[in-house]
Amino acid sequence: QQPVQSPQAVILREGEDAVINCSSSKALYSVHWYRQKHGEAPVFLMILLKGGEQKGHEKISASFNEKKQQSSLYLTASQLSYSGTYFCGTEMRGGSNYKLTFGKGTLLTVNP
Amino acid sequence: NAGVTQTPKFQVLKTGQSMTLQCAQDMNHEYMSWYRQDPGMGLRLIHYSVGAGITDQGEVPNGYNVSRSTTEDFPLRLLSAAPSQTSVYFCASRATGTGANEQFFGPGTRLTVL
Repeated sequence: QQPVQSPQAVILREGEDAVINCSSSKALYSVHWYRQKHGEAPVFLMILLKGGEQKGHEKISASFNEKKQQSSLYLTASQLSYSGTYFCGTEMRGGSNYKLTFGKGTLLTVNP
Repeated sequence: NAGVTQTPKFQVLKTGQSMTLQCAQDMNHEYMSWYRQDPGMGLRLIHYSVGAGITDQGEVPNGYNVSRSTTEDFPLRLLSAAPSQTSVYFCASRATGTGANEQFFGPGTRLTVL
């Protein structure tokens, strides 16, 4: 029931864009996105609750396709500070409320 | 607010030893959980609790026990440590109720079992 993230890793030059995908085989109630720097705890980016909902955080935005049980994280005009591992966490309908199941992560490296 | 706190930050155990990883939060969150993080595996849920006196198993509960006697505290116990339990452990908490509530993570405990 672990969501599947793709790609596993991506390397960018500063200013380039990237998309990270998260998909589930189960009906989802919400999708959460986190970023983790090496040696630190995951840091919250955003939550998407409704199908088709898009949220934004600076130049990072996300969408949630409820019908396809998929979410995508969009990073535009990447900055060096965007480097880290990105995790999606999914909360399923009908399951134990509040429980988040995380994907294996996507390692994003932004080079000068 | 201190948020979610964990102690210790680092721990080395010998196989067969027992220990308790402490977790506390001061945000009055009903929901608390424990994850372990291993390279390439992401964050895997060990145990979780939706309130004092209520706990349940996550994806990888074997070898771990939890209890929740207060809203603030959610300790994780290793009864007989094994090398396979070498990992980074994160405690997290989240408000319950309607709406979208982010999950807050503690700073983590890095555990090595020899």
